[in-house]
Amino acid sequence: DADVTQTPRNRITKTGKRIMLECSQTKGHDRMYWYRQDPGLGLRLIYYSFDVKDINKGEISDGYSVSRQAQAKFSLSLESAIPNQTALYFCATSDPLAGIYEQYFGPGTRLTVT
Amino acid sequence: AQSVTQPDIHITVSEGASLELRCNYSYGATPYLFWYVQSPGQGLQLLLKYFSGDTLVQGIKGFEAEFKRSQSSFNLRKPSVHWSDAAEYFCAVGFTGTASKLTFGTGTRLQVTL
Repeated sequence: DADVTQTPRNRITKTGKRIMLECSQTKGHDRMYWYRQDPGLGLRLIYYSFDVKDINKGEISDGYSVSRQAQAKFSLSLESAIPNQTALYFCATSDPLAGIYEQYFGPGTRLTVT
Repeated sequence: AQSVTQPDIHITVSEGASLELRCNYSYGATPYLFWYVQSPGQGLQLLLKYFSGDTLVQGIKGFEAEFKRSQSSFNLRKPSVHWSDAAEYFCAVGFTGTASKLTFGTGTRLQVTL
């Protein structure tokens, strides 16, 4: 089984709808991240979390919210989706306190907002 | 703010030819450096990493990278490219004291001709 999983893998939704993307990990890492990927822009950080009580905004958090339900689960919500949120979304984990500075990525969720 | 530059958006090489993908970063501190590969429709896979020590690091799939502090560079190399190496490659940098956040370059898409 994959260490970092994301659901759904693909989603098409309409403008104004609320949508949640979910991420689960079995790596036991403390830190979790949400990125979006757009062609030509690389990956940009939306939110990151050190633990269930510590959530931080990244560089492009407007229009998004997150919830860290447990060490292993980190969800990203779009309260009212808009077309420019169409992108590929990735969840990632790391554990720098354990010397694991690299991030491990899930397979991604392709979101289309029409 | 830290930044990462991958100056080549798209590179085409013939199978069997050598490859070098460029990566430069800006910031004053000693970085953690990573190269990731993204195959079509897939998530990001870690190719190699540099934290300290020997500035030439070996990774998976026959890739290597060299950290050059004087040039603020971390270029990725492979002596002989295989058709299966066609993918998008991302350089990423992190620094101590930045909460293990990584900054990603915009990526280089590699095309391999037979």
